[in-house]
Amino acid sequence: LAKTTQPISMDSYEGQEVNITCSHNNIATNDYITWYQQFPSQGPRFIIQGYKTKVTNEVASLFIPADRKSSTLSLPRVSLSDTAVYYCLVGAPNNQGGKLIFGQGTELSVKP
Amino acid sequence: EAGVAQSPRYKIIEKRQSVAFWCNPISGHATLYWYQQILGQGPKLLIQFQNNGVVDDSQLPKDRFSAERLKGVDSTLKIQPAKLEDSAVYLCASSLERVSSYEQYFGPGTRLTVT
Repeated sequence: LAKTTQPISMDSYEGQEVNITCSHNNIATNDYITWYQQFPSQGPRFIIQGYKTKVTNEVASLFIPADRKSSTLSLPRVSLSDTAVYYCLVGAPNNQGGKLIFGQGTELSVKP
Repeated sequence: EAGVAQSPRYKIIEKRQSVAFWCNPISGHATLYWYQQILGQGPKLLIQFQNNGVVDDSQLPKDRFSAERLKGVDSTLKIQPAKLEDSAVYLCASSLERVSSYEQYFGPGTRLTVT
């Protein structure tokens, strides 16, 4: 399983774009990159998943360079409600039966 | 669509007592997971069910933890006897059988305090 490294914490202000980068140097060919968001006293929530290049949904964008050794979660125009912990996960669901390996995550604090 | 339901939301017990948590996954989801999340850490998978069969229980402390998923729907996780280090949030999640997806749906969790 590929190990991931992401910043422990980040600060931002309302209305700014936030980019959280995750390093995964040992990513395997079959691995996907998935991001989860967790608010206090709640379970994690799936945000986005990608394999290569760029993926965008109504919540975020995920940028993956050609070598796939890192990825960046981009949150456009954050608000106070985006204050949460963000987890980057790497793995191959088919090979691992959907087993998620969570790291410590990045604690994002959005200030007014 | 209704989400993953868990009960109770909070539980306080003394060490060496037993406790049980209940989870009802999203209707139609074949896969059910139990995670343990200690304060300040990411969730750790304890056990994974596919329908009513166990797929992965490699990180379940089997001397004190047990889980079952009778009839392939709801599930119960039990701890007997509890230790102080079992204080954590116990999260249940479920997912469809879907190729190439890590999209799991989590419940609100049960916060266990062992004193």
